[in-house]
Amino acid sequence: GAVVSQHPSRVICKSGTSVKIECRSLDFQATTMFWYRQFPKQSLMLMATSNEGSKATYEQGVEKDKFLINHASLTLSTLTVTSAHPEDSSFYICSARDQLAGTDTQYFGPGTRLTVL
Amino acid sequence: DAKTTQPPSMDCAEGRAANLPCNHSTISGNEYVYWYRQIHSQGPQYIIHGLKNNETNEMASLIITEDRKSSTLILPHATLRDTAVYYCIVQLYHRDDKIIFGKGTRLHILP
Repeated sequence: GAVVSQHPSRVICKSGTSVKIECRSLDFQATTMFWYRQFPKQSLMLMATSNEGSKATYEQGVEKDKFLINHASLTLSTLTVTSAHPEDSSFYICSARDQLAGTDTQYFGPGTRLTVL
Repeated sequence: DAKTTQPPSMDCAEGRAANLPCNHSTISGNEYVYWYRQIHSQGPQYIIHGLKNNETNEMASLIITEDRKSSTLILPHATLRDTAVYYCIVQLYHRDDKIIFGKGTRLHILP
């Protein structure tokens, strides 16, 4: 199946700093990618829909100025957690749909574990 | 809110078939049933999907009732590596619809 990568896989940062997470579709193009957050023992929570060439669509309750999303190309979306605080510590997962494959299956990245000290 | 209902957890002996149920009584005629699973500390993995016919691939089988209000994911010979949280999701096909995850079923494969 199609492959989605994330970088970094794990990051530890100090409170107040900004962290950028990259999501790449390695062997297909994706006009739409999705960003999720997952706290321990909880399900994935959709944060936003990333659209290539346009603004992201954020879910209710997600601060767009804190979680900056840039979908610069058909294979790359980035999530920047600005002025991170300990409560932002979480597992961040992206996904992308291979729209040309005909299966409409959504493929997920391996996740990025963010720890804010 | 998720459109599906699943038991929070299940146990299955290694080597046996694992049957995971899912209720989706409000499914509409053009919505598909998708199954994903998430192994601990990894991203979700696609397993299988179907509309109304039963489906089978190298990972699992999907049985959908005739009224489409429920389905069962079958892992024919469960192994310890199948221990994961399994999510049943309904969504439209060929749309950029976001996936809303429910709580899923935590499947424990017992040695």
